[in-house]
Amino acid sequence: QSVLTQPPSVSAAPGQKVTISCSGSSSNIGNNYVSWYQQLPGTAPKLLIYDNNKRPSGIPDRFSGSKSGTSATLGITGLQTGDEADYYCGTWDSSLIAVVFGGGTKLTVL
Amino acid sequence: QVQLQESGPGLVKPSETLSLSCTVSGGSISNYYWSWIRQPPGKRLEWIGYIYYSGSTSYNPSLKSRLTMSVDTSKNQFSLILTSVTAADTAVYYCARDSGYYGSGNYFDYWGQGTLVTVSS
Repeated sequence: QSVLTQPPSVSAAPGQKVTISCSGSSSNIGNNYVSWYQQLPGTAPKLLIYDNNKRPSGIPDRFSGSKSGTSATLGITGLQTGDEADYYCGTWDSSLIAVVFGGGTKLTVL
Repeated sequence: QVQLQESGPGLVKPSETLSLSCTVSGGSISNYYWSWIRQPPGKRLEWIGYIYYSGSTSYNPSLKSRLTMSVDTSKNQFSLILTSVTAADTAVYYCARDSGYYGSGNYFDYWGQGTLVTVSS
């Protein structure tokens, strides 16, 4: 059981938009910045979003992040088949005194 | 472009010690935090701990009693030692550069490709 809860899977058609939620508590998301990672099959995770809504250089603006209270959301617009991957949220948990990750969400682009 | 490369044995026997190193190229190890993260097959990511270039560390409490991290700035390298391993320690181990913003929400911006470590007799 993960401290951060994500839906196991989401799907949408090419060109459409999808959102992935990450639910936590006041000891993690509620009082810390959230980051998001994309893990393509067989590869290392890649930073997509940091500090809730900032994109590293090279990440297209099709990817966006937001946070409200103890939940965070990753949004992906203009879906492409190349976006098929597992997506993880992560943040610091002040009760566990550790970085925690969500269980991951598998995105399928139909 | 910063690159990280993990190295170490791919197979470790139960109750023995797992040792991995991460070599950083394309940038200096100095002035940064560096973390180890692992992912058991088909499971979520798990943060193991970080080491600052100066040698200060912070470990995941769930692993703290078995864990030691070290850094060698002359080699631009940092290392992980995990003792008394069991099958539950079987995972892909990643090293990553860490923003170090602990207390406000850190993130990992550069990752190694990962190395699979299997614990089996």
